[in-house]
Amino acid sequence: QSALTQPASVSGSPGQSITISCTGTSSDVGGYNYVSWYQQHPGKAPKLMIYEVSNRPSGVSNRFSGSKSGNTASLTISGLQAEDEADYYCSSYTSSSSYVVFGGGTKLTVL
Amino acid sequence: EVQLVESGGVVVQPGGSLRLSCAASGFTFDDYAMHWVRQAPGKGLEWVSLISWDGGSTYYADSVKGRFTISRDNSKNSLYLQMNSLRAEDTALYYCAKDIAGIAAAPYYFDYWGQGTLVTVSS
Repeated sequence: QSALTQPASVSGSPGQSITISCTGTSSDVGGYNYVSWYQQHPGKAPKLMIYEVSNRPSGVSNRFSGSKSGNTASLTISGLQAEDEADYYCSSYTSSSSYVVFGGGTKLTVL
Repeated sequence: EVQLVESGGVVVQPGGSLRLSCAASGFTFDDYAMHWVRQAPGKGLEWVSLISWDGGSTYYADSVKGRFTISRDNSKNSLYLQMNSLRAEDTALYYCAKDIAGIAAAPYYFDYWGQGTLVTVSS
């Protein structure tokens, strides 16, 4: 069982918006603004999409945005495109001995 | 262009040992902390270990503490993971990942990843 809880799957039609949630505790997501999100296409390495809750690295589309409320972080993808179909993982610093925790991953299907 | 190329993954028996390597290029290697992250077949990501830019600080997930050792050779732009007392549950694709910072301190963000090297622990 992963330390952070994500829905196993979400789906949306092209052009729509979807939100993926990531729920932790006050020891990780809720206690620090150190949440990041990664996109992973099948057979490929993960790619950093969001860091520090809501910051986008250079080159990442502004269709991707992040936010946090309490112990839950969220990734929103607007204007869904076929190329967005992938697995998405949240991650957070944790004050436990694990240093870094990941969510179990969410499979995004673009219908 | 940043490149991280892992190697060393093989099939090994339970209780065996293995050393993974990661060759880095395209950035000033000794300016950044580095990580190992693994992914079991069909499963999610699991952070394994972290080393500071100078190798002076190292950290491990509880699941590998005491069995794995991370190290680096900045003169060779290389990262390593020595894996001992391997178990079936260590079977995974092991990724080398670059941190956005040099010190081994929060936050931990992985801005570049290699393609991974597969470790299979099986008799």
